[in-house]
Amino acid sequence: DAGVIQSPRHEVTEMGQEVTLRCKPISGHNSLFWYRQTMMRGLELLIYFNNNVPIDDSGMPEDRFSAKMPNASFSTLKIQPSEPRDSAVYFCASSTGQGVSGANVLTFGAGSRLTVL
Amino acid sequence: DAKTTQPTSMDCAEGRAANLPCNHSTISGNEYVYWYRQIHSQGPQYIIHGLKNNETNEMASLIITEDRKSSTLILPHATLRDTAVYYCIVRPYSGGGADGLTFGKGTHLIIQP
Repeated sequence: DAGVIQSPRHEVTEMGQEVTLRCKPISGHNSLFWYRQTMMRGLELLIYFNNNVPIDDSGMPEDRFSAKMPNASFSTLKIQPSEPRDSAVYFCASSTGQGVSGANVLTFGAGSRLTVL
Repeated sequence: DAKTTQPTSMDCAEGRAANLPCNHSTISGNEYVYWYRQIHSQGPQYIIHGLKNNETNEMASLIITEDRKSSTLILPHATLRDTAVYYCIVRPYSGGGADGLTFGKGTHLIIQP
């Protein structure tokens, strides 16, 4: 199993540009999570999906952020327009979502490091 | 969710057991204790979880006190690769599927050669 795959690994863009981060969860995992990590705020849960349905997006900072999961094997996190304060490492994670051992046992991707100039 | 308290940082000599404490005095009966770690520049990694019994796997042991108000993660023979931030998280399992984990600041464990 290749694990959770995120792309791009690094992105440098200019303020105002659209940014799209991509995630492929582990096959068979029914839950997908997007986190953001900065030095100041640590790891923050942005949004999560169960069976491709967004369950809780209360962590999404503002309307500039949107996330989709069109199918069980792909999700995107979009920032439009991007701002320098969006600079962070964005992690995607997935879990089976079922059972005590599955629901909260998350496998994380390697992250996408975003720099907005 | 119950709040957890962990020391900001700890040192441990290579080859010795690393004992990482976590206080969760307001834990509820249906809340599990989860441990994750994050090695520098990597995504967090699941280590172990438990409800009330002690647990052991290939990575670590989890000791939960009888009153469940605190727990200790034990890395039996720490190596330099165990240097990381360790997160203790308390979360209920409701049977309705995953609902996200909240990460605190964790303990920065430094293994000394």
